[in-house]
Amino acid sequence: SQTIHQWPATLVQPVGSPLSLECTVEGTSNPNLYWYRQAAGRGLQLLFYSVGIGQISSEVPQNLSASRPQDRQFILSSKKLLLSDSGFYLCAWSVGINTEAFFGQGTRLTVV
Amino acid sequence: AQSVTQLGSHVSVSEGALVLLRCNYSSSVPPYLFWYVQYPNQGLQLLLKYTTGATLVKGINGFEAEFKKSETSFHLTKPSAHMSDAAEYFCAVSPPWNAGGTSYGKLTFGQGTILTVHP
Repeated sequence: SQTIHQWPATLVQPVGSPLSLECTVEGTSNPNLYWYRQAAGRGLQLLFYSVGIGQISSEVPQNLSASRPQDRQFILSSKKLLLSDSGFYLCAWSVGINTEAFFGQGTRLTVV
Repeated sequence: AQSVTQLGSHVSVSEGALVLLRCNYSSSVPPYLFWYVQYPNQGLQLLLKYTTGATLVKGINGFEAEFKKSETSFHLTKPSAHMSDAAEYFCAVSPPWNAGGTSYGKLTFGQGTILTVHP
């Protein structure tokens, strides 16, 4: 069966520090991968999606970047965190187009 | 462009009462529709989905939803609430496979509805 791993679960980082969140998927090949951010009371916003290795599309301009160095690995990064980067970050995967997405357990990021 | 509106950011019901969470969407073509549930500090779990076929879909934990094209709605219901149903619920849409463009299964979410269940 397919599983998705996302870590760390919680993270407290100072403003201006770098960020690296990792997500890996097991049990499937060539998944579509997504990074969402959930801010309090604001639903989920799609940040990045990837349909293959090295293929990244950004949905919104921001202080973050994403990379997909391997088929089932998706990384969210920042060189310098801002206070506004705080939130709950969720990685997700799907296969094919227009099917449901399956989510990781999320990372609670607090920038102080 | 698609959008999703969930009416009511908070819904409170008594245990055993009917649960009704409202979702309306805007889309140029009939989309695929989803309901997810999120417990505190956890990821999202799929409750049910509608793609094609029967407009009344049943999901996990006794929930069901009905796609009404004329009303552009996909409301979530459960006949009898349980304390364990207390969570946040998200409605989401994505374009159908033949909509063209680069949809790639991207979901557009509503703002969420927090369901509280009182004993």
